[in-house]
Amino acid sequence: EPEVTQTPSHQVTQMGQEVILRCVPISNHLYFYWYRQILGQKVEFLVSFYNNEISEKSEIFDDQFSVERPDGSNFTLKIRSTKLEDSAMYFCASSGWDDSYEQYFGPGTRLTVT
Amino acid sequence: DQQVKQNSPSLSVQEGRISILNCDYTNSMFDYFLWYKKYPAEGPTFLISISSIKDKNEDGRFTVFLNKSAKHLSLHIVPSQPGDSAVYFCAASRTSGGSYIPTFGRGTSLIVHP
Repeated sequence: EPEVTQTPSHQVTQMGQEVILRCVPISNHLYFYWYRQILGQKVEFLVSFYNNEISEKSEIFDDQFSVERPDGSNFTLKIRSTKLEDSAMYFCASSGWDDSYEQYFGPGTRLTVT
Repeated sequence: DQQVKQNSPSLSVQEGRISILNCDYTNSMFDYFLWYKKYPAEGPTFLISISSIKDKNEDGRFTVFLNKSAKHLSLHIVPSQPGDSAVYFCAASRTSGGSYIPTFGRGTSLIVHP
């Protein structure tokens, strides 16, 4: 069964450093998403991406965040200058055209900012 | 921001009995509702959904009920099995350019005892 994969599973970085979280969505999917879940809190939408551009973003997705689909398979989330409060699980998800409500999530990357 | 609320952080049920997980929402613009299941160290997995034009959707042991006037939905699992033990997230979506942007509740941890 096709699945969304994410690397790395755990990333530790120092405050102020840049990090890139990587995702490989399901190959025939068209919509791509990033979410985060701070420990003990709910899953929060960050950004959606379609047709090589951002289609929607939340208030959390400020100028320090960017997304890119550099080739036909990868979908990345870059955090330019990490802050302590960026520590969270980051989930990538993708969905197809016919049932775009059904999003398939990756296993997540745990980001720890020290 | 409490647009989607799951007021019970945990639920304990005996194997074979019915599990009922509840969810309330406040935004009338939501037009699609979903339940996700999450095991530790994994991303959320889509379980079942319901459109705002319906009041019930059934898939095997899982049934979702929607009461639009009360802005309430529930997930019934019958019969409950130990493998159902997980965190269940309710999500309410609005369409945005063909994709669905979900707002998640905080989750209910279901424990099914053998």
